Amino acid sequence: QLQLQESGPGLVKPSETLSLTCTVSGGSIRSGSHSWAWIRQAPEKGLEWIATMYLSGSTYYNPSLRSRVTISVDTPKNQVSLRLTSVTAADTAVFYCARLLWGYTYGAFDLWGQGTVVAVSS
Amino acid sequence: EIVLTQSPGTLSLSPGERATLSCRASQSTTSLAWYQQKPGQAPRLLFYGASNRATGIPDRFSGSGSGTDFTLTISRLEPEDFAVYYCQQYGFSPGTFGQGTKVDIK
Repeated sequence: QLQLQESGPGLVKPSETLSLTCTVSGGSIRSGSHSWAWIRQAPEKGLEWIATMYLSGSTYYNPSLRSRVTISVDTPKNQVSLRLTSVTAADTAVFYCARLLWGYTYGAFDLWGQGTVVAVSS
Repeated sequence: EIVLTQSPGTLSLSPGERATLSCRASQSTTSLAWYQQKPGQAPRLLFYGASNRATGIPDRFSGSGSGTDFTLTISRLEPEDFAVYYCQQYGFSPGTFGQGTKVDIK
């Protein structure tokens, strides 16, 4: 049974770069030809889609974050990564990685990690 | 971007009662999903394509609607159903979520 586990620094200083990793276990990241995404949830706020990547290499970003975000996949390591530059307090959130149902780009996330908390503070 | 408005904000009901949750989109879409989120947990996909039940979702849950108006119905609330429910449109970029409806115990 496929499982996702996010990992990250927990605390990042303003203006720095946040790097997160999602490790897929229990199977191959390539199985089923799914695409992979990151979503975040700010404290007491709703959910926000950040980015999606197809294993073909195609990437899709939320326009509000496009200039600061990079998503990538390392298939030999079974990992999905997210890089967010120039962070501010507004980036404080729980970050989730998720798998998309086959054929979708911006949603219908059928498998989620447990999330990793990121706080931006000096 | 498409704005999703969920109502009501909070629904206070007793176990065994019927819950009806609404999601209204600012533009017509066919790509609408529903998620359930419990405290400290990740969201769980309930429906996609408005009415297609995700794997393992009990049939007391049903999704319906089209165009701009969508509904999630829980026919008889079980204790484990008290949670926050989100709708999401994924037909247009960026995929957007509603603000959520909390179903709590009356």
